Amino acid sequence: ETGVTQTPRHLVMGMTNKKSLKCEQHLGHNAMYWYKQSAKKPLELMFVYNFKEQTENNSVPSRFSPECPNSSHLFLHLHTLQPEDSALYLCASSPVKGTVHEKLFFGSGTQLSVL
Amino acid sequence: DQQVKQNSPSLSVQEGRISILNCDYTNSMFDYFLWYKKYPAEGPTFLISISSIKDKNEDGRFTVFLNKSAKHLSLHIVPSQPGDSAVYFCAASADWNTGNQFYFGTGTSLTVIP
Repeated sequence: ETGVTQTPRHLVMGMTNKKSLKCEQHLGHNAMYWYKQSAKKPLELMFVYNFKEQTENNSVPSRFSPECPNSSHLFLHLHTLQPEDSALYLCASSPVKGTVHEKLFFGSGTQLSVL
Repeated sequence: DQQVKQNSPSLSVQEGRISILNCDYTNSMFDYFLWYKKYPAEGPTFLISISSIKDKNEDGRFTVFLNKSAKHLSLHIVPSQPGDSAVYFCAASADWNTGNQFYFGTGTSLTVIP
């Protein structure tokens, strides 16, 4: 148990579907992240929220829409995805001291398949 | 362009021997380096880190070495145990004060043979 919980663990969706990934952290951290892990590629940062404010958006297509209602919850809303979006989506959180983000604590991920 | 590279996708080591995992980086501004371990169906978990002011950091069986001039770091596990079998990712960040961007390598899958 890492203190970061992601649901669902697995998701299969069609290209016309709308779904959401959920992440919850119980660690009292102030920063939350979405990462994408594709096969044989490094983890790619998608979004960063710092104290509920989005501070990074790494040129992610608009079919991915994040939401951070509070510092403990993070969502990734998905719509009209493409098969190449199939990947493991990892949520992470980190404590923030001043402006420094310390090490990341990851959830178990959502394995997404887009048909 | 990939700024953190792990050129060995896999490594097999006999139980009790030393495992050495390597990582190279291209950005000379990186000043904080981390190793993560990932089991199947789980998220990566933090293992050990090192800042650029040091060249070695040790935690039990795990030691990370940093060679700034070569832009190279390595993780040594000794003695290796079967439970160490996992995928290991190295990560780097630039500038403590804006450290919200961690760059990851592609991972090395370690198998420790009993």
